[in-house]
Amino acid sequence: NAGVTQTPKFQVLKTGQSMTLQCAQDMNHEYMSWYRQDPGMGLRLIHYSVGAGITDQGEVPNGYNVSRSTTEDFPLRLLSAAPSQTSVYFCASSPGTGGAYEQYFGPGTRLTVT
Amino acid sequence: GQQVMQIPQYQHVQEGEDFTTYCNSSTTLSNIQWYKQRPGGHPVFLIQLVKSGEVKKQKRLTFQFGEAKKNSSLHITATQTTDVGTYFCAGPGIGGNKLVFGAGTILRVKS
Repeated sequence: NAGVTQTPKFQVLKTGQSMTLQCAQDMNHEYMSWYRQDPGMGLRLIHYSVGAGITDQGEVPNGYNVSRSTTEDFPLRLLSAAPSQTSVYFCASSPGTGGAYEQYFGPGTRLTVT
Repeated sequence: GQQVMQIPQYQHVQEGEDFTTYCNSSTTLSNIQWYKQRPGGHPVFLIQLVKSGEVKKQKRLTFQFGEAKKNSSLHITATQTTDVGTYFCAGPGIGGNKLVFGAGTILRVKS
């Protein structure tokens, strides 16, 4: 099993550009989530999904969209990139409801917005 | 909203010294999880505590869950250079569908 995969590993965007961060898992996990990590602020939840077709907002959803058309994939879209979105983005999956089960993290995407 | 506070933010120890990080929640938690993130890496699950007063050990790591299920600690005995990284605690958010992370404790070990 590859676990949780993310692409790209690195990305540089200009302000106003849009892009999609890809996330896929091959563990048949129902729960998937996106976090951003900034120095001194831990991991903050952006969006999460409890199953295909179901998504919900986390702590910092503004400027991001998600969709979950399949169990395996959970892409994160940046609509109009801003310098404040410079961060490391982690996708995670879990075999059950996000708060009760361990989360498996992908390797991350380092995004810089200039 | 629910918050998970973690202290200290940063600790630099001499190899062989002990290390402890503390986690406090504003609400009672059904469980608490601990993760380790190596520099440049991604968070990796270490353990989950569920019961009030629970203590679990993994080699040199000791994890405790408070009696009131609102605080937890991770203690490393005789640190090694392989212990460097950031240690996060995390607990369920309101509604149980989310995992709320503490800000993490960065551990550096001087050899």
